[in-house]
Amino acid sequence: EVRLVESGGGLVKPGGSLRLSCAASGFAFTRAWMNWVRQAPGKGLEWVGRIKSGGATDYAAPVKGRFTISRDDSKTTLYLQVSSLKIEDTAVYYCVAVVNGSPADPYFDYWGQGTLVTVSS
Amino acid sequence: EVVMTQYPATLSVSPGERSTLSCRASQSVNTNLAWYQQIPGQAPRLLIYSASTRAPGVPARFSGSGSGTEFTLTINSLQSEDFAVYYCQQYNYWPPYSFGQGTKLEIK
Repeated sequence: EVRLVESGGGLVKPGGSLRLSCAASGFAFTRAWMNWVRQAPGKGLEWVGRIKSGGATDYAAPVKGRFTISRDDSKTTLYLQVSSLKIEDTAVYYCVAVVNGSPADPYFDYWGQGTLVTVSS
Repeated sequence: EVVMTQYPATLSVSPGERSTLSCRASQSVNTNLAWYQQIPGQAPRLLIYSASTRAPGVPARFSGSGSGTEFTLTINSLQSEDFAVYYCQQYNYWPPYSFGQGTKLEIK
């Protein structure tokens, strides 16, 4: 059974930092492309960024330079370091795996339950 | 960036009826399109990928169609558990993978 369990969310002041984690199990993590998607309260889904197997990363424009995605294949864990946080970064952050897809067909087939990051003074 | 537009924003349908949700891309995304269902308080769930392929475990009453810039998600014989928000997403051009703003399917 595929499981993605996020942790690390919380309340942080503007300008602050957090590190989100996603513990993965039940699939070949080392081969999977992993993503972070966020959802502001009452809003739609927004792709944050992706890390390929091997470690190459891509980011959405609103977070580029402030957020960093990394992975530890030995621990089958995905990370999202969020820095220089803004009020508008307040959202539930979902860890998303491409398990059955492929680099040519990278649909998001498994989602974690999400972790809430609240940016407020 | 490819902009995904979903319409209508809200759709009111009675249980047992059929609903049709639409998604338009600002440029062709071929068939690199997915549909997700999000029940309030839950994470999104993959329903359809490659525009028309049902994900494992998705009931046959869900079907997707389209290619290029126009896509449709059809739900036949609506069940109570189908009332949710539905998002389309293109993965033909990245970054970013862009989502539509969602269609809320509500009980009439």
